[in-house]
Amino acid sequence: SYELTQPLSVSVALGQTARITCGGNNIGSKNVHWYQQKPGQAPVLVIYRDSNRPSGIPERFSGSNSGNTATLTISRAQAGDEADYYCQVWDSSTWVFGGGTKLTVL
Amino acid sequence: QITLKESGPTLVKPTQTLTLTCTFSGFSLSTSGVGVGWIRQPPGKALEWLALIYWDDDKRYSPSLKSRLTITKDTSKNQVVLTMTNMDPVDTATYYCAHCGGDCSSFDYWGQGTLVTVSS
Repeated sequence: SYELTQPLSVSVALGQTARITCGGNNIGSKNVHWYQQKPGQAPVLVIYRDSNRPSGIPERFSGSNSGNTATLTISRAQAGDEADYYCQVWDSSTWVFGGGTKLTVL
Repeated sequence: QITLKESGPTLVKPTQTLTLTCTFSGFSLSTSGVGVGWIRQPPGKALEWLALIYWDDDKRYSPSLKSRLTITKDTSKNQVVLTMTNMDPVDTATYYCAHCGGDCSSFDYWGQGTLVTVSS
């Protein structure tokens, strides 16, 4: 089965740029989606198909995907961006999630 | 406006069967390309996809849980039902249902989730 690897935690200073990676074998050939989950809340889709933002998601959120690594980039990080972030792909008729990354805004 | 809401027992005993219902509005599960999936999250842990049913009644299951899961839909009631047999304490989790559209490779709308505890 396909596996996605994320760092457990990432820290970013307020106003700076955070980058959260998602590793997988030749992940660049797949569509990668990203979800934000705040404590006690359901996940929210923030990036779909590598780099597309759903309606209502700030432009500060962007994504890229190449080779064996996909990246979620959060520019001008705000306190409200502090959350868990999950990458996800569709592979062989299954939906696979990464282990999640806790983003801390300092 | 698409909304989904999960319902079911909050407590089940080990070996029992769990039945969860997802009631949705704002879309029809008879529309081509639409699907509804179930995802769970044990306390403090990551998301895990369980099952998905498509508009045409095609069904997909997590390989590791396939033998224990059944997903069905009632289009007239706007509901999707997930059953999981032989529940164990490790199945304690918040269970979410979610909508997928387009290529159905991602979940764009989620329910609020329901916490199910497995304990005797």
